[in-house]
Amino acid sequence: EVQVVESGGGLVKPGGSLRLSCAASGFTFSNAWMNWVRQAPGKGLEWVGRIKSKPEGGTTDFAAPVRDRFTISRDDSKNTLYLQMDSLKTEDTAVYYCFTKEVTVWGQGTLVTVSS
Amino acid sequence: QAVVTQEPSLTVSPGGTVTLTCGSSTGTVTTGHYVYWFQQKPGQAPRTLIYDSINKYSWTPARFSASLLGGKAALTLSGAQPEDEAEYYCFVSYSGVRVFGGGTKLTVL
Repeated sequence: EVQVVESGGGLVKPGGSLRLSCAASGFTFSNAWMNWVRQAPGKGLEWVGRIKSKPEGGTTDFAAPVRDRFTISRDDSKNTLYLQMDSLKTEDTAVYYCFTKEVTVWGQGTLVTVSS
Repeated sequence: QAVVTQEPSLTVSPGGTVTLTCGSSTGTVTTGHYVYWFQQKPGQAPRTLIYDSINKYSWTPARFSASLLGGKAALTLSGAQPEDEAEYYCFVSYSGVRVFGGGTKLTVL
């Protein structure tokens, strides 16, 4: 079955850090360009960032609000995508999803709450 | 940064046809923007309906179609069903950056 499962969310204080994971299965993860997307409570979808496949360079791009604070990496041996979030702000509170072209049914996401 | 614009809300009658559009502040939306369309129902994760502007997945109901029309990306629903009531988002790729539209709340009434 083609699926992704996000994990690692939780409650963190402003200025803190958190690492999210996205475990993929059912497709050739190593060839996939992977995105992180978030959705603040009651709001629309917001693109966070993307990592290319390693054969295509493995480079990353980020949305302006998270650039210089967030890092995306991947471990193709584990079929897992990561989102390292540093210097967290209250406005980063959201459900975080991973998304790729290969998966039509998204995972349920993982909730990150940044609050003192 | 580019802004992607969608109708905030639309209403369609059951069995009717409606077109949702997705425009870009940078100008004409082309195949090079690799537009995606997503459906999200309340309390659920999104599902991907369309990729690369016009392509459907095996699960995408036949009543949905996508095109590039009048400088915008468009998602047309022909023969609306009550279960199509949802929020619809488009997603546009630019050089190095991707941007979601604000979403269209589609009511089937």
